[in-house]
Parts: sequence; structure tokens; C-alpha cells
Amino acid sequence: GAVVSQHPSWVICKSGTSVKIECRSLDFQATTMFWYRQFPKQSLMLMATSNEGSKATYEQGVEKDKFLINHASLTLSTLTVTSAHPEDSSFYICSAESGREGEKLFFGSGTQLSVL
Amino acid sequence: AQKITQTQPGMFVQEKEAVTLDCTYDTSDQSYGLFWYKQPSSGEMIFLIYQGSYDEQNATEGRYSLNFQKARKSANLVISASQLGDSAMYFCAMREALVFSGGYNKLIFGAGTRLAVHP
Repeated sequence: GAVVSQHPSWVICKSGTSVKIECRSLDFQATTMFWYRQFPKQSLMLMATSNEGSKATYEQGVEKDKFLINHASLTLSTLTVTSAHPEDSSFYICSAESGREGEKLFFGSGTQLSVL
Repeated sequence: AQKITQTQPGMFVQEKEAVTLDCTYDTSDQSYGLFWYKQPSSGEMIFLIYQGSYDEQNATEGRYSLNFQKARKSANLVISASQLGDSAMYFCAMREALVFSGGYNKLIFGAGTRLAVHP
């Protein structure tokens, strides 16, 4: 299957700072990437859909000014958590659609964010 | 409305036995895809198996098979010959096709089933 790289794997930051998470498709071009959030022992919740060269589409209830998404190239999407607060602590995971495998989505390894 | 329902929060199975993880879905679309992912404690999401709504045969991938009952809207995952390494969370998910654009909608997940394989 296609390979999606997500970095960093974990990050600890102080309240009020911003954190950037990168999601890269390594062996394919991804016009669409998705960002999910997962709380402990819960399912994945879609935050936003990221399209290359255009603004991200956010799910209801997700603050677009808090979670900035940039999809500047066909292989890279970034999620920036701005002015992080302890309640933003969560597991964030991205996924990308591989054109050659159509509807299948491949996931990064996730980022565990802890805001102190 | 709940689109993907996984009614088993947790399941236990003896090593080398088969286990079935249940999944039912709700859609009015004719074209959609059903997925199963495995999430070990490390957090990564591992793609296991895919079933298209128009596929007539049940999908199989090694020890994984998908029991697709379209009329009942169920897509149960069967793991044969369970191994200790199969212990993980398992998520059923669905993507509905976008009729006009030709692409697919977002992937929606069920609540997950935690599988524990005992020696």
C-alpha cells in the first residue's frame, strides 16, 4: 500500500504556543488529505478535508482559526494547532487518498499532542 | 444519524481460533465502499480490507475476510486463525461515492471493537 509519513510522532508544548504537524505522501501524489482527531478509547473524528491549492473544508464544530490547515503541494499537508490549550491534547492522525488505489485511504502514524 | 455501528466494544478469542467482528452501516447511496482498519496500541491505522458495494464476491486478504450482506447492510470482519499480534482496536468505516464529481466522500468510522487474543 501507499506510504504516508506523519511528523512528529509526539510533541509536548506549553499552553499558548503553536504546534505544526506535517503529513506527507511519500510515493504518491495526494490531491486530498484528511485530518482526524482521536481521544483516548474513542473513534476517529474527522476534523477537516484538505485539498491541494484550496482552502480546507472543516467539519461542524471544528474551529478553523484554531486548527490551521495548509495543503501547499501534492505531497504535503500541515495542521497547525494555534495557541494550544490543555483541551487540545489529543491524538491527531492524517490520511491521504492514493489515486492509483482509488477510494482507499492510507494513514500516517499519528501525532500525540500534550499541552501543559 | 449513526452511519456505522459496531455493537461489540470488546471481544476475546483464543489463539488460533476464528473471530467475527460485527459492523452494520446506514446509507441510501447505491455506490459506497466499506473498510476495516486495525489500530494497535502504537496508534497507527493499518488498512486491512476493502469491499465495494458493487463487488459480488466477499473480499479476502490473507487471514481477513469480509462477510458482506448488502441487503442487511452488514460488513462483518472475519479473522481466521487468530494470532497474539491481532490484539488491537478494529474500526469499520465507510465512504459514500460522490455522484457528480466521481470521487468519494469522507471516511466515517464506527466506534471500534477492541480484540484481545488469549494464548
